[in-house]
Amino acid sequence: QKEVEQNSGPLSVPEGAIASLNCTYSDRGSQSFFWYRQYSGKSPELIMSIYSNGDKEDGRFTAQLNKASQYVSLLIRDSQPSDSATYLCAVDLKTSYDKVIFGPGTSLSVIP
Amino acid sequence: ETGVTQTPRHLVMGMTNKKSLKCEQHLGHNAMYWYKQSAKKPLELMFVYSLEERVENNSVPSRFSPECPNSSHLFLHLHTLQPEDSALYLCASSQVGTGVNEQFFGPGTRLTVL
Repeated sequence: QKEVEQNSGPLSVPEGAIASLNCTYSDRGSQSFFWYRQYSGKSPELIMSIYSNGDKEDGRFTAQLNKASQYVSLLIRDSQPSDSATYLCAVDLKTSYDKVIFGPGTSLSVIP
Repeated sequence: ETGVTQTPRHLVMGMTNKKSLKCEQHLGHNAMYWYKQSAKKPLELMFVYSLEERVENNSVPSRFSPECPNSSHLFLHLHTLQPEDSALYLCASSQVGTGVNEQFFGPGTRLTVL
C-alpha cells in the first residue's frame, strides 16, 4: 500500500465553485499534514498545515483532518482560474528526523 | 536573499561533465533536503541532512553526491549522469524536532542531460 494516495485527476471545476481535494495515508502514527500547491514548472508552495482533527480555515482554503479514517482533504471555495495547479498532500511520518512523504498530487483546473 | 535559493536555475550538461547544484536557506532551519521531480512523476526524496548529518540516502545512484558543509548550505555534485537524470531538482529546508516539520522549497534547478 502506498504511503500517501491522492486522485491524480485532472479535477475540473467551474469558476466560483468549491474544489474538493482528497488524500489518504497509511501510517496511523502520523501527526502532521500539509498541502502544497505547485504551478506548472514551479516549485511546491506550502499553503496549509493541519495537526488536529477537524477543520482549519485560511481564507478560501479549508483543510479537514480525520485521523481515525486516515483522511485529509482540502476545500477551495470560490475557485479562481489562478487556483489551477497541482496540489500535493504531504504527511509527516514521525521518524527520528520527521520524514515527510508526498503524495503524487491532484491536478486541478478551474474553468472560467 | 530570503527563503531558499538555488543556483543555477537551468543547467545543460553532457554525460561526461561534472557539475554542482547549490542550495542556500535563509530561514534558520536545521534540516535540508534534495528532491528529484521528473515529468509526470511524484516528488522523489533523494537525500536528507538533519543537523548537518546525512540521515537518509534513498537508494540514489553514486553519480549523485551530496555535501552539507553547514546548516545553511547544501550541494549536489553530479558526474557521469544519464539522460534519464534530466529532471527538476528541488532543495527544501525545515526545522525538525519542534513537531512542526513544514518544508519550504527553493525554485529548483531544471537539469537537462544530453
